[in-house]
Amino acid sequence: GQNIDQPTEMTATEGAIVQINCTYQTSGFNGLFWYQQHAGEAPTFLSYNVLDGLEEKGRFSSFLSRSKGYSYLLLKELQMKDSASYLCAVLDSNYQLIWGAGTKLIIKP
Amino acid sequence: GAVVSQHPSRVICKSGTSVKIECRSLDFQATTMFWYRQFPKQSLMLMATSNEGSKATYEQGVEKDKFLINHASLTLSTLTVTSAHPEDSSFYICSARDLRQDNSPLHFGNGTRLTVT
Repeated sequence: GQNIDQPTEMTATEGAIVQINCTYQTSGFNGLFWYQQHAGEAPTFLSYNVLDGLEEKGRFSSFLSRSKGYSYLLLKELQMKDSASYLCAVLDSNYQLIWGAGTKLIIKP
Repeated sequence: GAVVSQHPSRVICKSGTSVKIECRSLDFQATTMFWYRQFPKQSLMLMATSNEGSKATYEQGVEKDKFLINHASLTLSTLTVTSAHPEDSSFYICSARDLRQDNSPLHFGNGTRLTVT
């Protein structure tokens, strides 16, 4: 079956760095997405990786290793507004998105 | 950038009535739109995939006669919740993909919070 695993919850301190991991087992692979979702709101797109390596976009970076079925989202200089759920999703061979359950990130002052 | 508009953002209706939710891609054409539902503290669950000009494909366990999906143009898809029941109260989100790029990210609407009383 298809499966995406990410931690349920993480806690970090304002100004620090946090890494949210995601491992996947899917039928085919056409890319991996990270989305941010604040409570009660729709998800917003953060990043897309289809090739191995690190993609940097401001305070957020995303890494992919296809051979390991592994990705992480790195958040630097954490701000209180970064408190949200972070969703990992993989585009499978049928171009359907397979979603992880999300990681709730709690930022403490 | 690409934008998806979803309307209404909130709706309260009585049991037994029907509610229509619209999803529009504003500056791109989307052959495919996806409809999701999210219950509190749960992940997004795909309900159906809406293809322009053809019947929607529903996920297992989603009643196609209850959740009517129409995708009549490349920029508009609608979801109608028929004979609404309190258990249908949820957050409904649509998303669409830009035709120009196969692996482009999904762009989401802002969601519709449905409350059935």
